[in-house]
Formats: sequence, structure tokens, C-alpha cells
Amino acid sequence: GDSVTQMEGPVTLSEEAFLTINCTYTATGYPSLFWYVQYPGEGLQLLLKATKADDKGSNKGFEATYRKETTSFHLEKGSVQVSDSAVYFCALSGSRDYKLSFGAGTTVTVRA
Amino acid sequence: DVKVTQSSRYLVKRTGEKVFLECVQDMDHENMFWYRQDPGLGLRLIYFSYDVKMKEKGDIPEGYSVSREKKERFSLILESASTNQTSMYLCASSLSTIGYTFGSGTRLTVV
Repeated sequence: GDSVTQMEGPVTLSEEAFLTINCTYTATGYPSLFWYVQYPGEGLQLLLKATKADDKGSNKGFEATYRKETTSFHLEKGSVQVSDSAVYFCALSGSRDYKLSFGAGTTVTVRA
Repeated sequence: DVKVTQSSRYLVKRTGEKVFLECVQDMDHENMFWYRQDPGLGLRLIYFSYDVKMKEKGDIPEGYSVSREKKERFSLILESASTNQTSMYLCASSLSTIGYTFGSGTRLTVV
């Protein structure tokens, strides 16, 4: 079945550092790929998405590119802020239904 | 903005109790979902529904049931709560994969 594997955390960074969270997937067909973010005490929010190979999703300075050849969707941000401290989830939706499959989540803490 | 409202942020229940978790969305979405979130395991799908009175099992349905009598409301039922059901429960709704909206979650503790 479809599955997502993402980098284990926790990750601790200083402000203005570069952030990468690795995500790889296993799926049949052509899934859509997502990054969701969960701030402390809140539900999940969609951060960015990509629906086909070579698409780049971007939002709030974060970027991820859908790489079919490496089955990856790594999240990057060039200069993190304290406000980026959150749990980040990689997710995919299969080509045949609306269900989302999530990775285990990566906790990111940014220190001033 | 679409709003998904979960009736309780925190619940404490006793082992063996029947527990109802309520979720209401206000944007006429067909699709609704219940996930549980546990550290190191991410989100796991319990049940979902693509239409009123319709339900399908997700990856971990054991010990749970659901009800969807109206389009806007999707209830998760723990028939006989157990301590291993202590978790964060998240409800979501969508029109498609692109439009998932999550509620704030209900943190359930079973003692």
C-alpha cells in the first residue's frame, strides 16, 4: 500500500539556519504530495502541495519539489525563524481516492 | 474559510465507557475523516466517509465506529474505551485531496 517515510527528529536549529526535512514515498500510479504543519496546540494546516512530477510547491519561504525518479518530496527553507517551530508532516494521496497517508512527523525547534 | 469544529479539546473518560467525539464542518464538504495522532506514528486513519450514511474503514478501525446522519457532522464512537485509545483525535473534511481542513483536535485520556 501507499506509504510515506520522513526524516526522524527532533531537529533543533538556530535562527536563520537552513532547514531540510527528507521525505520519500511508496505509491502506485501518480500520487499527490503534501507538507502539513502543526503548531503547538493546533490542528494541521496545509503548508504546500504538488500534484505531478517536477512540480514545486512553495509557501511562507518553504519549498518542496516532487521528484518521481527518486520518489522524494524534501522540504526546505533557507532561513528559519523561531515562529517556524512546529511539527511537520509529509503526506500523500493516492491517484484513486481522497485518503491521505502521513509520515511520522518531524519536530522542529528553532532557537533565537 | 472552512471551519472544522471538534466539540471538545480535552476529555477524560474511564475504561469501559462509551465515548462520543463530535466533528462539524461548515462548508458542505462530502468527505470527512477521523485520524488519531500518536508520537512517532504520525496520523493514522480510523474511518472516513464520502457521503451521508456512508462509512468506510481506514487503517485502524478496531474498537471504533462512526456515524454520519447529516452531511456536516461526523461522529467517532469508542464503544468501550480502553487505555490504549488514549490519544489525540483529529477530524478533517475535504472536497478533494487539495482541500483538506483539520479541526484543532481532541486529546482523549482513558483512565
